[in-house]
Formats: sequence, C-alpha cells, structure tokens
Amino acid sequence: AQSVTQLGSHVSVSEGALVLLRCNYSSSVPPYLFWYVQYPNQGLQLLLKYTSAATLVKGINGFEAEFKKSETSFHLTKPSAHMSDAAEYFCAVSESGGSNYKLTFGKGTLLTVNP
Amino acid sequence: NAGVMQNPRHLVRRRGQEARLRCSPMKGHSHVYWYRQLPEEGLKFMVYLQKENIIDESGMPKERFSAEFPKEGPSILRIQQVVRGDSAAYFCASSPGTAPYEQYFGPGTRLTVT
Repeated sequence: AQSVTQLGSHVSVSEGALVLLRCNYSSSVPPYLFWYVQYPNQGLQLLLKYTSAATLVKGINGFEAEFKKSETSFHLTKPSAHMSDAAEYFCAVSESGGSNYKLTFGKGTLLTVNP
Repeated sequence: NAGVMQNPRHLVRRRGQEARLRCSPMKGHSHVYWYRQLPEEGLKFMVYLQKENIIDESGMPKERFSAEFPKEGPSILRIQQVVRGDSAAYFCASSPGTAPYEQYFGPGTRLTVT
C-alpha cells in the first residue's frame, strides 16, 4: 500500500522568498513521484515527475524537487516565490513497474504568497 | 493539441436523480483515470479504464457508481440515485500508452446534490 504525507496544510511566504513544500511517501515498491498544482476551481497541472532517472527533477515555473530514498522524501522547492505561485500543491505517488499507475495523493498544501 | 475535456463543468442534481459525467481524453491517449475530490478528504482514485475495459475499480463505491470507456466516444462516470454525500469535484485524467504514468487532468465536474 502507498501513502503520502504532506507536512503543513498551509504555507505562507513573502514574494521573493524560498518556497519549500514537504512531501514524504510510503511505498512497498520503487515509486514514481509527482507534484501537481491546482488553482481555484481548476484541474490539476503536472509540475514535475520522478520516474527513477535523475534524483533532482526540474519542472515548470522554476520548481524543482529532489528524490531522497533514504528519507523517503520528495520535497518541492522554488528559490523565489511569485504572487502567481499562490495555489494548492499536491504530492502524489504511483507504483513503478506495473501497468496501473493510479495516483495516491497527499492532502495538499495551500501556498499563499504575501506582497 | 486540446487537453482533457470534461463536461458539464457544473452539474446540479436533486437527491435520487442520475448524474452522468463525461470525459474526453487527450488525442492519442488510451488510458483514463477518474478521481473524486471531497472537502477534507482530498483526491481519491476511483477507477482506471482502457478502451472497452475496466482495469481497476477498487476505488469505486460498490453501489450506484459505474464507469465505461467505449471504443468510440468519451468515458462516462455514472452515478445513480445521487445522495448529498456525492457532492464533490470529479476529475478525469488521461495518459498515453507510451508514458502511462504521466497523467493529464481535465478541469473537473463539480457535482452538487440538493
């Protein structure tokens, strides 16, 4: 069974500050890991993914995440927050090596960016 | 390339009515997943389909819910005899056969049961 824990349901940063959103996962097989962003009343947009290649993954809009197997973590970072980054962020895991890639999501972290 | 399309975007049903939610995957995508987003519960997997086949329906409630992905046309999520607890946002995602782990989400259908 898989699970995802996102530490902090709400993170608030100032514009220009570092963004760090935490994600820890549990999986019995090597995982695929994802970060999605959701703006109000919209669907989810894929920010980045880890699929067992490079452990440091770069995504869209300046975000990146690092897969750390020893810590079972996949934290999302961005060096400098923009107002447009305000949204809800979801970390998700699926199993690799099979044919069913259903996603298990964390409960989400709402990011607010203060001017 | 058009993204994943879902309709309607908003759907209001009275208790006991049927709800039909439609999902047109991205062109060339043959895998469809449905998820439900409930307040305080987050996003949960419901069902995974390929053309004409249900691959995994382990997240679907046993009664009143069904899904299909016919050879032609959109995938349909059907909820019979809706109850207030069915009020939620329903999202579908599609993925290509070449990268089945990479899911692209539609804008969702927000179902309100009155």
